[in-house]
Amino acid sequence: DAGVIQSPRHEVTEMGQEVTLRCKPISGHDYLFWYRQTMMRGLELLIYFNNNVPIDDSGMPEDRFSAKMPNASFSTLKIQPSEPRDSAVYFCASSSGRGNEQFFGPGTRLTVL
Amino acid sequence: GQQVMQIPQYQHVQEGEDFTTYCNSSTTLSNIQWYKQRPGGHPVFLIQLVKSGEVKKQKRLTFQFGEAKKNSSLHITATQTTDVGTYFCAGWGGNKLVFGAGTILRVKS
Repeated sequence: DAGVIQSPRHEVTEMGQEVTLRCKPISGHDYLFWYRQTMMRGLELLIYFNNNVPIDDSGMPEDRFSAKMPNASFSTLKIQPSEPRDSAVYFCASSSGRGNEQFFGPGTRLTVL
Repeated sequence: GQQVMQIPQYQHVQEGEDFTTYCNSSTTLSNIQWYKQRPGGHPVFLIQLVKSGEVKKQKRLTFQFGEAKKNSSLHITATQTTDVGTYFCAGWGGNKLVFGAGTILRVKS
């Protein structure tokens, strides 16, 4: 297996633009997690899914953020409109059970100018 | 809400010295996981502890889970330059997963 795949790896955009981050979990994993990492706030869990259903989205910072998982092999995290304070590294991770080992993707480094 | 505090934030050691990072949760955890993130990389799973008082070893790394399942520690014996990175603990309490802020380890050769 190729591991968790994220795209793009780097994204530079201007304030106000829509940003869509993509994630393909490891095949067979039924949990998917989205994280944001910054120097100031560390690693934050934004939302996680089980069997494509959002379980806990309490970490989503505000309505500008939305996440979907239309099927077991694909998830998106969308920011609309983006702001400079959204600049961070966004990680996607998957696991085969809620308390099991999480496999992280390489991350998307987002810069909002 | 649930919080996981991790200390120290940063430690710079001489190669060969020992290193310890501690995690403390405000609530009882069902399990605790440890991850390592190299500079510029992504977190990589190290180990999971589930039982009260559990101790696990991986070569020079020793992991402990407290009796009350509210604290944990990672100890590295005789650090090497390959140990550099940020070490995170992560705990599940109910439906919430919370990561500690991480401890950045630097090793001087």
